[in-house]
Amino acid sequence: DIVLTQSPATLSVTPGESVSLSCRASQGISTSIHWYQQKSNESPRLLIKYASQSISGIPSRFSGSGSGTDFTLSINRVESEDFSVYYCQQSYSLLYTFGAGTKLELK
Amino acid sequence: EVQLVESGGGLVQPGRSLKLSCAASGFTFSDYYMAWVRQAPTKGLEWVASISYDGGSTYYRDSVKGRFTISRDNAKSSLYLQMDSLRSEDTATYYCTTANGWFAYWGQGTLVTVSS
Repeated sequence: DIVLTQSPATLSVTPGESVSLSCRASQGISTSIHWYQQKSNESPRLLIKYASQSISGIPSRFSGSGSGTDFTLSINRVESEDFSVYYCQQSYSLLYTFGAGTKLELK
Repeated sequence: EVQLVESGGGLVQPGRSLKLSCAASGFTFSDYYMAWVRQAPTKGLEWVASISYDGGSTYYRDSVKGRFTISRDNAKSSLYLQMDSLRSEDTATYYCTTANGWFAYWGQGTLVTVSS
């Protein structure tokens, strides 16, 4: 199975800061990585597909980059509604896997 | 508006069976692979199983292979997960999702608790 390692596990930030969340794959997966946001007691929401493709309805402050094994989700100027958990997921293999998540919390 | 509504969760004893259902609306169901994703209490997301457009191909994570069966009825726009020989580690909220590589649409989830 393809293992996705997200770092850091927790990121403490102040609103207005810009942040980068990392997702590293155990093997090369081209750009077959997707990012999700999950707020407490809610279903996950797709933010970015195929590493950098934007999703309709998602604020433009969310962006993604990377290919191969290293991927980044960037949030430009974090807003209060962004404090939640973020997951990456790969579709290079049909045996899909998720990373363990990065919790973005208020400093 | 896309809607995915799961049902069938509940409390079940270890070793018993349970069948989850997901009713889809607001999109052409047969145009999408579908999947079940679960989340144990306070834990992360875990893909469980996927099924192709016509149900001809299915995929499972190792820990549920041979115990769970994913199926679909395109005429009813419905997805199912038959769960047999349930274990305590299957306790989770189970989400129904569209799965054309990425999981674009999600249901609200149904909680399955496996306990004696």
